[in-house]
Order: sequence, then structure tokens, then C-alpha cells
Amino acid sequence: NAGVTQTPKFQVLKTGQSMTLQCAQDMNHNSMYWYRQDPGMGLRLIYYSASEGTTDKGEVPNGYNVSRLNKREFSLRLESAAPSQTSVYFCASSAQQGSNTEAFFGQGTRLTVV
Amino acid sequence: QQQVKQSPQSLIVQKGGISIINCAYENTAFDYFPWYQQFPGKGPALLIAIRPDVSEKKEGRFTISFNKSAKQFSLHIMDSQPGDSATYFCAASMTGGSYIPTFGRGTSLIVHP
Repeated sequence: NAGVTQTPKFQVLKTGQSMTLQCAQDMNHNSMYWYRQDPGMGLRLIYYSASEGTTDKGEVPNGYNVSRLNKREFSLRLESAAPSQTSVYFCASSAQQGSNTEAFFGQGTRLTVV
Repeated sequence: QQQVKQSPQSLIVQKGGISIINCAYENTAFDYFPWYQQFPGKGPALLIAIRPDVSEKKEGRFTISFNKSAKQFSLHIMDSQPGDSATYFCAASMTGGSYIPTFGRGTSLIVHP
């Protein structure tokens, strides 16, 4: 069971460089999310997608863009990386229907911007 | 505005002791309250969850206590083990409507042998 797969696992960028974080889920979930995790700040929502073709801003969207390529894939793009974007990024997905809205997380991408 | 407040930020417990982590929420429309466990280098994973129609849920050594009137819920880890050392996040969401999980800031638990 792959669940939620993120690539890459580690990345070092120079300030101003761009990159795309990839995420794919194989659970047929409608909803997908991007969070960043910083010490003492918990998990903060960057963007989310309720369904294929829709995306919305979360708590900390500045400096990021997203694409819901299809039901399986949800990518996060940093157009011009800044040191403040050094963080661990998690992609997650959940079923939107029913009484259980458990979120399933990927293994994370540790990004360092120098 | 922080919708889910979690405390303490860190917790050190001796093996065999009880670990208690508390969370408080503001939005009364929340109706699903999960706890996630995260080990170093891994993503969070669901540990246990509760709905507001019950006041307590127990799974093995892990218990959630829920106080709807106070808008608070807590995780109790009985007979804490070194393998329980991890970061714990409480969360809240709504089935239907805004189903997006809102997380607390996390508690780093260390259980000493």
C-alpha cells in the first residue's frame, strides 16, 4: 500500500531558485492538502484541493502555487525560494464523504533554502 | 487566530507513567477530533479519534477524554513506554462543510527508560 507518496525527500535550494514538490495518492481521495511544519508552529495549511480542478488558499499561501493535476496528483511550486521557506513539507489526503475524515500523510520533503 | 490550542509544548515522562496532553477548540461546529502521532522523519499518522457524542474513547493504552461544554479534549497515555516518544498533534474538523483538519501546534513527548 503506497498511500501518499512525496518526492523528493530532501532538497537544498539557493535563494531565488524554483522547484516543484510532487505528491500522489492511490486511495481515490477527493481532498488533498499541503502543510508545512516548523518547530513550535505545528502543521500549517498552505493550500488545499477539495476535488480535481479546484484549489484554495490555506493559512500560509504566500510564495507558493499549487496544481491539482488529476485526482491522484497535487503539486506545490515555489517560484522564487526564500530562506523563510526552509521547512518540512507534508502532503496529505482525505476522503471527503462519510463520518471518517482521517488525513493520510506522506513522508515529507525536507527543504533547505540557503 | 489559533482555532485549536495544544499544551504542553513538550513533556518528559518516566517509563510506566501517565502522559497527558490537552487541547482546546473554539469552533463548536467541529465534530471530529483526532490525535496524530509523528515519529522523527515520518509523516503524522492517525492514533485515535473521537466524536462529541461520547465523553471517552479508549484504545489499548491510549484514551481520549472529551468535554463538550468546556470545548476541551485530552489524550492520556497510560503506562508510557520509550517507544511512545514522538510528537503528538491534536486536530479538529467538520464532516461536511469545512472538513479540512485544523491542527494544534504539537507536543513533543519523551519517555525515559
